[in-house]
Amino acid sequence: GAVVSQHPSRVICKSGTSVKIECRSLDFQATTMFWYRQFPKQSLMLMATSNEGSKATYEQGVEKDKFLINHASLTLSTLTVTSAHPEDSSFYICSAAQGTSSNQPQHFGDGTRLSIL
Amino acid sequence: AQSVTQPDIHITVSEGASLELRCNYSYGATPYLFWYVQSPGQGLQLLLKYFSGDTLVQGIKGFEAEFKRSQSSFNLRKPSVHWSDAAEYFCAVGGYQKVTFGTGTKLQVIP
Repeated sequence: GAVVSQHPSRVICKSGTSVKIECRSLDFQATTMFWYRQFPKQSLMLMATSNEGSKATYEQGVEKDKFLINHASLTLSTLTVTSAHPEDSSFYICSAAQGTSSNQPQHFGDGTRLSIL
Repeated sequence: AQSVTQPDIHITVSEGASLELRCNYSYGATPYLFWYVQSPGQGLQLLLKYFSGDTLVQGIKGFEAEFKRSQSSFNLRKPSVHWSDAAEYFCAVGGYQKVTFGTGTKLQVIP
């Protein structure tokens, strides 16, 4: 149980392109979804927290207009990297929390490797 | 502020040997603690979690971890490592809204 699917797994595109990444909870309802960015050989950096039906909460230093997050349903959140540039190349991972208790672990997708040429 | 320290960046063990990965945390209240594993190019998989109760927690793939409040530690152990355990391991502290990850320990398993 608690499976999170992330799509696509890999994206290669030209500078200036906008890229959309989907995160789905397959067998549970995710009240909250999280988006992380992972730089090579580093830990995960939380970018934003999204709650279904409301605006995402962004971490300090993360550009809201650059990284658009939509959480339209309890099973789907999307991250759109707008006008992507080479410095946006990274590994992006989403996670979803089941329920609203503070002790619920986050369940992670397999990540998306984004490469901007 | 909550924080996690994983002092070992890289560990190498022989297949069949025992393993212990260290994790120290800082948290203002009773912590929720997690261990995740990440294979190359993939997302994170939850190995085990501690919320309360028995301080020795059993997880998947034969892993266990022990919560020691006096030492602010939550070390991960496995009695006999398999080659398939080679991966990066992340300790995390927090809960539903805010989870802080350590910088990870990369495990290499040699035959």
